[in-house]
Amino acid sequence: DTAVSQTPKYLVTQMGNDKSIKCEQNLGHDTMYWYKQDSKKFLKIMFSYNNKELIINETVPNRFSPKSPDKAHLNLHINSLELGDSAVYFCASSLRQREGKDTQYFGPGTRLTVL
Amino acid sequence: AQSVTQLGSHVSVSEGALVLLRCNYSSSVPPYLFWYVQYPNQGLQLLLKYTSAATLVKGINGFEAEFKKSETSFHLTKPSAHMSDAAEYFCAVSHTGGFKTIFGAGTRLFVKA
Repeated sequence: DTAVSQTPKYLVTQMGNDKSIKCEQNLGHDTMYWYKQDSKKFLKIMFSYNNKELIINETVPNRFSPKSPDKAHLNLHINSLELGDSAVYFCASSLRQREGKDTQYFGPGTRLTVL
Repeated sequence: AQSVTQLGSHVSVSEGALVLLRCNYSSSVPPYLFWYVQYPNQGLQLLLKYTSAATLVKGINGFEAEFKKSETSFHLTKPSAHMSDAAEYFCAVSHTGGFKTIFGAGTRLFVKA
């Protein structure tokens, strides 16, 4: 069974379109995240949710809107896609990130290409 | 504020040689430190972590790291590299009460036959 799953794995779209990426974890974790990894492999946190509540919003453009319908799901919707949004997006989860020492479990990533 | 610096964006070793990947951190509070590995086209997975217990931490696949407070370092080592170790390695830092883990820029490890 996959612990953290993301769909789709690949997403190719035109500038200006709107797209969504879905994430689900079956680990029973309280905290979920979205990260963006650029072409140089730099990993930057975008959002963090704890028990469906937004905890971290790292100065991400408001074209990006996360939604957490329940503790096991954290989706990412992106409006008006731009070339610079091309990256690999990772979803992750951890048991209780307030502890700070909990391991994060990452999904396989969604490679977004904006043409 | 916390930060992580990984020295060397690329490290190349021969199979069977020692692997040493360097990580220095900055933190105004006691840190928790992590090493994650990313194989091509995969997500990150935990290699090992320091959570204020033993300063020498052993992880999976024969890796270990030592927390040195005086040097603010958490270098990753493996005595003998294997071809399957070729991957991207990330050092990361967090702390109690913080919801954010800060990742370093990553070090790509190449293993030559």
